[in-house]
Amino acid sequence: SAVISQKPSRDICQRGTSLTIQCQVDSQVTMMFWYRQQPGQSLTLIATANQGSEATYESGFVIDKFPISRPNLTFSTLTVSNMSPEDSSIYLCSVHRGKNTEAFFGQGTRLTVV
Amino acid sequence: DQQVKQNSPSLSVQEGRISILNCDYTNSMFDYFLWYKKYPAEGPTFLISISSIKDKNEDGRFTVFLNKSAKHLSLHIVPSQPGDSAVYFCAAGHPNSGNTPLVFGKGTRLSVIA
Repeated sequence: SAVISQKPSRDICQRGTSLTIQCQVDSQVTMMFWYRQQPGQSLTLIATANQGSEATYESGFVIDKFPISRPNLTFSTLTVSNMSPEDSSIYLCSVHRGKNTEAFFGQGTRLTVV
Repeated sequence: DQQVKQNSPSLSVQEGRISILNCDYTNSMFDYFLWYKKYPAEGPTFLISISSIKDKNEDGRFTVFLNKSAKHLSLHIVPSQPGDSAVYFCAAGHPNSGNTPLVFGKGTRLSVIA
């Protein structure tokens, strides 16, 4: 299994501000994935963070809004920039161990933008 | 277009009875399927998985059935317990799932009534 420490666990932020979410994994992984779960919705992939290169963003998500850092093989951050109430969501980081294995998740960050 | 669908947003079952959660998928390239359980304020935790070469996998009270021709899988929990009350996500993986993210359904909220 993988242990992922994600913080903060929750935050209430003012619109127009930014929040950086951190994920620390207990071992080295090639890729880390960032998801968003809006109320009543599935886990939607925001981007894939590969160490040493730019993150790959999914359709509907852009680097200016969700900049990602991946400075080493055990750590990544996701920033939610210039927040609006529509960004209120649960944000999750995730890693795989390898082919046909389960993904492991951090405990999530519940963000409320007011 | 949703590739993984959980058409029942919620399900209520009496304690001791069987819970059946259903999931349909559209992409025939998926070859690995997983179920996750999510409690409030926690990240999803892996429950059980099945490879496309099998049609059944059992782990204690949890059994997953896969019908490839129908592109359908189901999770059976028997007997259901109040502690099983959570949101259950179905997920599917591609052949190179170590480096590509899982695709999730929207989840089914299971309530087990004592």
